[in-house]
Amino acid sequence: DIQMTQSPSTLSASVGDRVTITCRASQSISTWLAWYQQKPGKAPKLLIHKASSLESGVPSRFSGSGSGTEFTLTISSLQPDDFATYHCQQYNTYPTFGQGTKVEIK
Amino acid sequence: EVQLVESGGGLVQPGRSLRLSCTTSGFTFGDYGLNWVRQAPGRGLEWVGFIRSKANGGTIEYAASVKGRFTISTDDSKSIAYLQMNSLRTEDTALYYCSRWTGGSSFSQYWGQGTLVTVSS
Repeated sequence: DIQMTQSPSTLSASVGDRVTITCRASQSISTWLAWYQQKPGKAPKLLIHKASSLESGVPSRFSGSGSGTEFTLTISSLQPDDFATYHCQQYNTYPTFGQGTKVEIK
Repeated sequence: EVQLVESGGGLVQPGRSLRLSCTTSGFTFGDYGLNWVRQAPGRGLEWVGFIRSKANGGTIEYAASVKGRFTISTDDSKSIAYLQMNSLRTEDTALYYCSRWTGGSSFSQYWGQGTLVTVSS
Protein backbone atom coordinates (compact mmCIF):
# COMPACT_ATOMS: atom_id res chain seq x y z
CA ASP A 1 0.00 0.00 0.00
CA ILE A 2 1.06 3.56 -0.63
CA GLN A 3 1.33 5.49 2.62
CA MET A 4 0.30 9.14 2.68
CA THR A 5 1.75 11.42 5.34
CA GLN A 6 0.33 14.87 5.96
CA SER A 7 1.97 17.66 7.88
CA PRO A 8 1.30 19.34 10.11
CA SER A 9 -1.41 17.42 11.98
CA THR A 10 -2.76 20.67 13.39
CA LEU A 11 -2.23 24.20 12.18
CA SER A 12 -3.21 27.34 14.05
CA ALA A 13 -3.78 30.35 11.83
CA SER A 14 -5.62 33.66 11.61
CA VAL A 15 -8.04 35.01 9.05
CA GLY A 16 -6.06 36.39 6.14
CA ASP A 17 -3.06 34.10 6.67
CA ARG A 18 -1.49 32.11 3.85
CA VAL A 19 -1.68 28.44 4.81
CA THR A 20 0.20 25.50 3.33
CA ILE A 21 -0.40 21.83 4.04
CA THR A 22 1.96 19.14 2.79
CA CYS A 23 1.20 15.57 1.77
CA ARG A 24 3.97 13.07 1.02
CA ALA A 25 3.52 9.71 -0.67
CA SER A 26 5.67 6.68 0.14
CA GLN A 27 6.23 6.14 -3.59
CA SER A 28 5.55 8.10 -6.74
CA ILE A 29 1.90 8.68 -7.56
CA SER A 30 2.47 11.04 -10.52
CA THR A 31 -0.31 13.62 -10.02
CA TRP A 32 -3.02 11.19 -8.89
CA LEU A 33 -3.84 13.16 -5.76
CA ALA A 34 -7.02 14.73 -4.40
CA TRP A 35 -7.65 17.14 -1.54
CA TYR A 36 -10.83 17.24 0.54
CA GLN A 37 -12.18 19.62 3.18
CA GLN A 38 -14.23 18.21 6.04
CA LYS A 39 -16.17 20.11 8.67
CA PRO A 40 -17.42 18.52 11.91
CA GLY A 41 -20.39 16.24 11.37
CA LYS A 42 -20.21 16.61 7.60
CA ALA A 43 -19.01 14.49 4.71
CA PRO A 44 -15.76 15.44 3.02
CA LYS A 45 -15.97 17.91 0.15
CA LEU A 46 -13.74 17.58 -2.91
CA LEU A 47 -11.51 20.62 -3.42
CA ILE A 48 -8.83 19.54 -5.87
CA HIS A 49 -8.08 16.51 -8.03
CA LYS A 50 -5.14 15.54 -10.22
CA ALA A 51 -2.96 17.48 -7.78
CA SER A 52 -3.86 20.93 -9.08
CA SER A 53 -7.29 20.85 -10.78
CA LEU A 54 -9.72 22.97 -8.81
CA GLU A 55 -13.18 21.45 -8.46
CA SER A 56 -15.99 23.56 -9.87
CA GLY A 57 -17.36 26.02 -7.33
CA VAL A 58 -14.32 25.91 -5.05
CA PRO A 59 -12.92 29.39 -4.32
CA SER A 60 -9.76 30.31 -6.17
CA ARG A 61 -7.92 30.97 -2.90
CA PHE A 62 -7.43 27.19 -2.81
CA SER A 63 -4.66 25.77 -4.96
CA GLY A 64 -2.75 22.53 -5.20
CA SER A 65 0.65 21.67 -6.56
CA GLY A 66 3.19 18.88 -6.73
CA SER A 67 3.91 15.61 -8.46
CA GLY A 68 5.67 12.38 -7.68
CA THR A 69 5.81 12.12 -3.92
CA GLU A 70 5.38 15.66 -2.58
CA PHE A 71 2.26 17.76 -2.77
CA THR A 72 0.92 20.94 -1.22
CA LEU A 73 -2.47 22.49 -0.64
CA THR A 74 -2.33 26.26 -0.26
CA ILE A 75 -5.01 28.62 0.96
CA SER A 76 -3.86 32.06 -0.14
CA SER A 77 -5.90 34.07 2.38
CA LEU A 78 -7.65 32.06 5.07
CA GLN A 79 -11.33 32.85 5.49
CA PRO A 80 -13.61 32.04 8.47
CA ASP A 81 -15.30 29.27 6.43
CA ASP A 82 -11.95 27.54 5.89
CA PHE A 83 -11.44 26.35 9.46
CA ALA A 84 -11.82 22.63 8.95
CA THR A 85 -9.87 19.41 8.53
CA TYR A 86 -8.15 18.74 5.22
CA HIS A 87 -7.39 15.29 3.82
CA CYS A 88 -5.22 14.21 0.92
CA GLN A 89 -5.93 10.99 -0.99
CA GLN A 90 -3.85 9.19 -3.59
CA TYR A 91 -5.63 7.25 -6.33
CA ASN A 92 -2.66 5.98 -8.29
CA THR A 93 -3.40 2.56 -6.81
CA TYR A 94 -6.06 1.47 -4.35
CA PRO A 95 -6.98 4.69 -2.56
CA THR A 96 -5.24 5.73 0.61
CA PHE A 97 -5.67 8.88 2.66
CA GLY A 98 -3.42 11.03 4.76
CA GLN A 99 -4.23 11.29 8.46
CA GLY A 100 -5.72 14.77 8.07
CA THR A 101 -4.69 18.32 8.99
CA LYS A 102 -6.90 20.34 11.27
CA VAL A 103 -6.81 24.08 10.59
CA GLU A 104 -7.89 25.89 13.74
CA ILE A 105 -8.27 29.48 14.80
CA LYS A 106 -5.16 31.01 16.33
CA GLU B 1 -28.84 16.63 -8.69
CA VAL B 2 -26.52 13.81 -7.68
CA GLN B 3 -27.51 12.26 -4.36
CA LEU B 4 -26.21 9.35 -2.33
CA VAL B 5 -27.97 8.28 0.85
CA GLU B 6 -26.54 5.64 3.15
CA SER B 7 -28.67 3.59 5.50
CA GLY B 8 -28.55 0.43 7.56
CA GLY B 9 -26.11 1.39 10.28
CA GLY B 10 -26.64 0.59 13.92
CA LEU B 11 -25.34 -1.19 16.99
CA VAL B 12 -24.19 -4.76 16.41
CA GLN B 13 -22.30 -7.30 18.51
CA PRO B 14 -18.84 -8.49 17.53
CA GLY B 15 -18.96 -11.41 15.13
CA ARG B 16 -22.36 -10.46 13.76
CA SER B 17 -23.32 -9.08 10.34
CA LEU B 18 -24.83 -5.91 8.98
CA ARG B 19 -25.74 -4.71 5.50
CA LEU B 20 -25.44 -1.07 4.51
CA SER B 21 -27.25 0.46 1.55
CA CYS B 22 -26.27 3.39 -0.64
CA THR B 23 -29.30 4.66 -2.53
CA THR B 24 -28.34 6.89 -5.44
CA SER B 25 -30.13 9.27 -7.77
CA GLY B 26 -29.38 11.99 -10.28
CA PHE B 27 -27.03 9.97 -12.49
CA THR B 28 -26.90 6.77 -14.50
CA PHE B 29 -25.89 4.26 -11.84
CA GLY B 30 -23.70 1.90 -13.85
CA ASP B 31 -21.78 4.70 -15.55
CA TYR B 32 -19.79 5.56 -12.42
CA GLY B 33 -17.64 3.78 -9.90
CA LEU B 34 -18.56 3.90 -6.23
CA ASN B 35 -16.36 3.92 -3.15
CA TRP B 36 -17.12 2.87 0.38
CA VAL B 37 -15.04 4.93 2.81
CA ARG B 38 -15.17 4.84 6.61
CA GLN B 39 -14.09 7.12 9.41
CA ALA B 40 -13.63 5.85 12.94
CA PRO B 41 -14.54 8.35 15.69
CA GLY B 42 -11.95 11.11 15.81
CA ARG B 43 -9.84 9.46 13.12
CA GLY B 44 -9.00 9.96 9.46
CA LEU B 45 -10.63 8.50 6.37
CA GLU B 46 -10.07 4.89 5.36
CA TRP B 47 -10.98 3.41 2.00
CA VAL B 48 -13.00 0.20 2.41
CA GLY B 49 -13.62 -0.86 -1.18
CA PHE B 50 -14.96 0.13 -4.54
CA ILE B 51 -16.86 -1.09 -7.54
CA ARG B 52 -15.75 0.16 -10.94
CA SER B 53 -18.20 1.39 -13.55
CA LYS B 54 -19.66 -1.03 -16.09
CA ALA B 55 -17.42 0.52 -18.75
CA ASN B 56 -14.42 -0.38 -16.59
CA GLY B 57 -15.59 -3.93 -16.03
CA GLY B 58 -17.67 -3.45 -12.88
CA THR B 59 -14.93 -5.15 -10.90
CA ILE B 60 -14.69 -4.85 -7.15
CA GLU B 61 -11.68 -4.32 -4.89
CA TYR B 62 -11.31 -4.27 -1.12
CA ALA B 63 -8.92 -2.93 1.45
CA ALA B 64 -6.83 -5.59 3.16
CA SER B 65 -8.48 -4.81 6.50
CA VAL B 66 -11.89 -5.97 5.27
CA LYS B 67 -11.09 -8.42 2.48
CA GLY B 68 -12.87 -11.74 3.02
CA ARG B 69 -15.32 -10.20 5.51
CA PHE B 70 -17.00 -7.40 3.52
CA THR B 71 -18.76 -7.71 0.16
CA ILE B 72 -19.90 -4.99 -2.21
CA SER B 73 -22.85 -5.65 -4.49
CA THR B 74 -25.38 -3.65 -6.45
CA ASP B 75 -29.01 -3.68 -7.50
CA ASP B 76 -28.76 -1.83 -10.79
CA SER B 77 -32.54 -1.74 -11.25
CA LYS B 78 -32.83 0.27 -8.03
CA SER B 79 -29.54 2.21 -8.33
CA ILE B 80 -28.46 0.90 -4.93
CA ALA B 81 -25.07 -0.30 -3.79
CA TYR B 82 -24.69 -2.53 -0.76
CA LEU B 83 -21.90 -3.23 1.69
CA GLN B 84 -22.41 -6.58 3.40
CA MET B 85 -20.27 -6.68 6.52
CA ASN B 86 -19.69 -10.06 8.18
CA SER B 87 -17.63 -11.12 11.18
CA LEU B 88 -17.67 -7.57 12.49
CA ARG B 89 -14.98 -6.44 14.90
CA THR B 90 -14.87 -3.58 17.37
CA GLU B 91 -12.33 -1.87 15.10
CA ASP B 92 -14.98 -1.71 12.35
CA THR B 93 -16.83 0.92 14.39
CA ALA B 94 -17.02 3.96 12.13
CA LEU B 95 -19.14 6.29 10.06
CA TYR B 96 -19.48 4.63 6.66
CA TYR B 97 -19.76 6.79 3.55
CA CYS B 98 -20.48 5.88 -0.02
CA SER B 99 -19.13 8.21 -2.66
CA ARG B 100 -19.14 8.48 -6.42
CA TRP B 101 -16.20 8.55 -8.75
CA THR B 102 -15.70 10.88 -11.65
CA GLY B 103 -14.59 9.26 -14.89
CA GLY B 104 -12.27 6.32 -14.35
CA SER B 105 -10.51 7.73 -11.30
CA SER B 106 -11.32 6.61 -7.77
CA PHE B 107 -11.37 9.99 -6.08
CA SER B 108 -14.78 10.96 -4.72
CA GLN B 109 -16.62 13.85 -6.30
CA TYR B 110 -19.92 13.25 -4.49
CA TRP B 111 -20.49 11.86 -0.99
CA GLY B 112 -23.41 10.68 1.05
CA GLN B 113 -23.96 11.83 4.63
CA GLY B 114 -22.77 8.56 6.13
CA THR B 115 -24.30 5.90 8.35
CA LEU B 116 -22.86 5.00 11.75
CA VAL B 117 -21.89 1.44 12.58
CA THR B 118 -21.06 0.62 16.19
CA VAL B 119 -19.64 -2.80 16.98
CA SER B 120 -19.85 -3.48 20.69
CA SER B 121 -20.98 -6.14 23.09
